[in-house]
Amino acid sequence: EVQLVESGGGLIQPGGSLRLSCAASGFTVSSQYMSWVRQAPGKGLEWISVIYSDGSTHYAESVKGRFTISRYNSKNTVSLQMNNLRAEDTAVYYCARSLTFGDTAPGYWGQGSLVTVSS
Amino acid sequence: DIVMTQTPLSLSATPGQPASISCKSSQSLLHSNGNTYLYWHLQKPGQPPQLLIYEVSNRFSGVPDRFSGSGSGTDFTLTISRVEAEDVGVYYCMQGLQLPITFGQGTRLEIK
Repeated sequence: EVQLVESGGGLIQPGGSLRLSCAASGFTVSSQYMSWVRQAPGKGLEWISVIYSDGSTHYAESVKGRFTISRYNSKNTVSLQMNNLRAEDTAVYYCARSLTFGDTAPGYWGQGSLVTVSS
Repeated sequence: DIVMTQTPLSLSATPGQPASISCKSSQSLLHSNGNTYLYWHLQKPGQPPQLLIYEVSNRFSGVPDRFSGSGSGTDFTLTISRVEAEDVGVYYCMQGLQLPITFGQGTRLEIK
């Protein structure tokens, strides 16, 4: 069974940094495309980053240069390093896995981790 | 970026009656490999999204057969043949053809 468990969220001041982790089970993260998708309070879904099985990464313009997605094969985890956080980054952050190999689109979702950027 | 537009944005449905949601993309979602990368997700209250339909019309594992997807190119529809109380939530269409992956605004379904 595919399971994704996010951790690392919390309250952080504007300009600060935070690292989210996504622990995967039921598959190996290196064999699938792994994404982060966020949802601001009361708003819709926004894709922000993906790491492909070959290790290449892509980002939404809204986070490019500030966020970094990484993969740790030995721990079967994916992380999202978030720097220079802004109030508009406040959201629930979901880790997601592609449905099948080669398919970028999220098919499996974690429970989410809330990040609040506020002074 | 591909823009996804859903209508209606809210829907009040009667149990046992059908309901449908439309999703239009700003460009065709047909890939050169013949697949069309249109998906439907449901986010129930207080829960993460869950996949319902992939590649236009394929039901994900465990999804009841009252849910169906149809369409091609730029026009797609999610249909619930007989709405049940457990179907309440926000429905999102999503395109996976190209980055950035984009979602529709969401359609909130409530039960009368």
